Amino acid sequence: EPEVTQTPSHQVTQMGQEVILRCVPISNHLYFYWYRQILGQKVEFLVSFYNNEISEKSEIFDDQFSVERPDGSNFTLKIRSTKLEDSAMYFCASSDRGSDEQFFGPGTRLTVL
Amino acid sequence: DQQVKQNSPSLSVQEGRISILNCDYTNSMFDYFLWYKKYPAEGPTFLISISSIKDKNEDGRFTVFLNKSAKHLSLHIVPSQPGDSAVYFCAASAGSSNTGKLIFGQGTTLQVKP
Repeated sequence: EPEVTQTPSHQVTQMGQEVILRCVPISNHLYFYWYRQILGQKVEFLVSFYNNEISEKSEIFDDQFSVERPDGSNFTLKIRSTKLEDSAMYFCASSDRGSDEQFFGPGTRLTVL
Repeated sequence: DQQVKQNSPSLSVQEGRISILNCDYTNSMFDYFLWYKKYPAEGPTFLISISSIKDKNEDGRFTVFLNKSAKHLSLHIVPSQPGDSAVYFCAASAGSSNTGKLIFGQGTTLQVKP
């Protein structure tokens, strides 16, 4: 069964450093998403991506964040200068259509020290 | 921002009985609702969805009911099994935006006792 994969499973970084979180969505899906879940809180939408551009982003997704689909299979989330409050589980998701169910990856746990 | 609420943080039921998980929403623009199950250290797994044009959708042991006038939906699991023990998230989207953005509730931890 096709699945969304994410690497790394756990990333530890120092405050102010750049991190890139990687995702491989399901191959025939066209819509891609990033969500995050801070420990003890709800899953929050960050950004949606379709046709090589951002279709919607949340208030959390400020200038420190960027997304890219560099090669037709990977979908990446970059945080330019990490803050302590960026520590969270980051989930990538993909869907066939924007109005369809989204399939989530296992997540990357980001720890900012 | 509490557009989607799951007011019960936890629920415990006996194996074989019915589990009922509840979710309320406030945004009238939501027209598509989903339930996800999540185990520790894994991503959310899609369970079942319902469009606002329906009031019920069934898939095996899982049934979702939607009451639009009350802005309420519920997930019924019958019969409950120990393997159903997980965190259940309700999520909603406004299809008109077509970006697929999901708004999640806080989750309900279900424990099914053998």
